[in-house]
Amino acid sequence: KQEVTQIPAALSVPEGENLVLNCSFTDSAIYNLQWFRQDPGKGLTSLLLIQSSQREQTSGRLNASLDKSSGRSTLYIAASQPGDSATYLCAVSTDSWGKLQFGAGTQVVVTP
Amino acid sequence: EAEVAQSPRYKITEKSQAVAFWCDPISGHATLYWYRQILGQGPELLVQFQDESVVDDSQLPKDRFSAERLKGVDSTLKIQPAELGDSAMYLCASSLGSGEGDEQFFGPGTRLTVL
Repeated sequence: KQEVTQIPAALSVPEGENLVLNCSFTDSAIYNLQWFRQDPGKGLTSLLLIQSSQREQTSGRLNASLDKSSGRSTLYIAASQPGDSATYLCAVSTDSWGKLQFGAGTQVVVTP
Repeated sequence: EAEVAQSPRYKITEKSQAVAFWCDPISGHATLYWYRQILGQGPELLVQFQDESVVDDSQLPKDRFSAERLKGVDSTLKIQPAELGDSAMYLCASSLGSGEGDEQFFGPGTRLTVL
């Protein structure tokens, strides 16, 4: 059974510092990996999607890498801002229909 | 910008009552998902539709939960009777459904509180 782990569970950084969020998964047979942002009491916002054949994906200040063989993905957020404060979740797609298996998330606080 | 719509946003009910949630996916998306998220955890899939057909309902508590997507567009998730442990965020998502692991887009969710 696929298990997705995100460590640490919580992280606090001063504004301007780069954020590094980790995600690990136990089964490398994935279709893709998706990173989401969730604000308190809200739904999920898709940040980046990395297909299994890709090594990384970039959007603005966000960069995500994928190493299937080691079962790891890392989300980098450059020059963090207080508006980046949220919970970040990673999820892997385990079948062609797109079923996602989620980690529990990393709660990020960026202090001014 | 196309979005997944859900209603209601909040629902408070008493134990043993029936509740229903509605979801309208992004136009043209063939795959629709219902997830449940308990506070502090990641979402877990309850049921997945491809058009009007159920693809996966292995984690749906079928003794009290039901879901339908009759015309392959919008969907309803029902709980009857509700139990205290059902308090959670219910999230709907949709994707193109090409079978290639498409990007999923989520709605704002329905926060259910069972008293």
